[in-house]
Amino acid sequence: AQSVAQPEDQVNVAEGNPLTVKCTYSVSGNPYLFWYVQYPNRGLQFLLKYITGDNLVKGSYGFEAEFNKSQTSFHLKKPSALVSDSALYFCAVGSSNTGKLIFGQGTTLQVKP
Amino acid sequence: EPEVTQTPSHQVTQMGQEVILRCVPISNHLYFYWYRQILGQKVEFLVSFYNNEISEKSEIFDDQFSVERPDGSNFTLKIRSTKLEDSAMYFCASSVSGGAWETQYFGPGTRLLVL
Repeated sequence: AQSVAQPEDQVNVAEGNPLTVKCTYSVSGNPYLFWYVQYPNRGLQFLLKYITGDNLVKGSYGFEAEFNKSQTSFHLKKPSALVSDSALYFCAVGSSNTGKLIFGQGTTLQVKP
Repeated sequence: EPEVTQTPSHQVTQMGQEVILRCVPISNHLYFYWYRQILGQKVEFLVSFYNNEISEKSEIFDDQFSVERPDGSNFTLKIRSTKLEDSAMYFCASSVSGGAWETQYFGPGTRLLVL
């Protein structure tokens, strides 16, 4: 069965420092991996995805993610965090041809000034 | 930029009542989805819908739930007889195609509270 794990409930970072939000996956077949962000009282916003090709994927708002097949990971990164990046981040895997997304439990990112 | 919209933003209902949650997907998208997020828990898939048929549904999506595309723009989720445990945020999403690689775009959600 397909699954996604986000091992950290919360990540705290100082503004200007690099940030990493971790995600590991378990899939049969090709992994299609996504990151979404949820700001308070808002829906899920798409950040980036990995389908195939380059292991470093660039997305919205300066975020990027590194696909690592041997470690079955897809960590979200940003070189310099902003206070406005504080939000709930979800990793997800596309699991079927009907488009079902399976989400991780989410990681709260807190960026302190 | 086109967006998925959902109404209402909040709904309070009594246990046993029927509720209809409404969504307007992005206009050129062909696949539609409902997900829910119980407070403090992960986002869970409920159902996918294409060509006026359910493509896939989860075990959560039992006989109390139904989906419909009543016209060319709306996509609805009906809960026939609400239970306390149906209290959650319900998200609609849409995508151009149904492939596992396809990006889904989410609406802002409807917060349902069942009393």
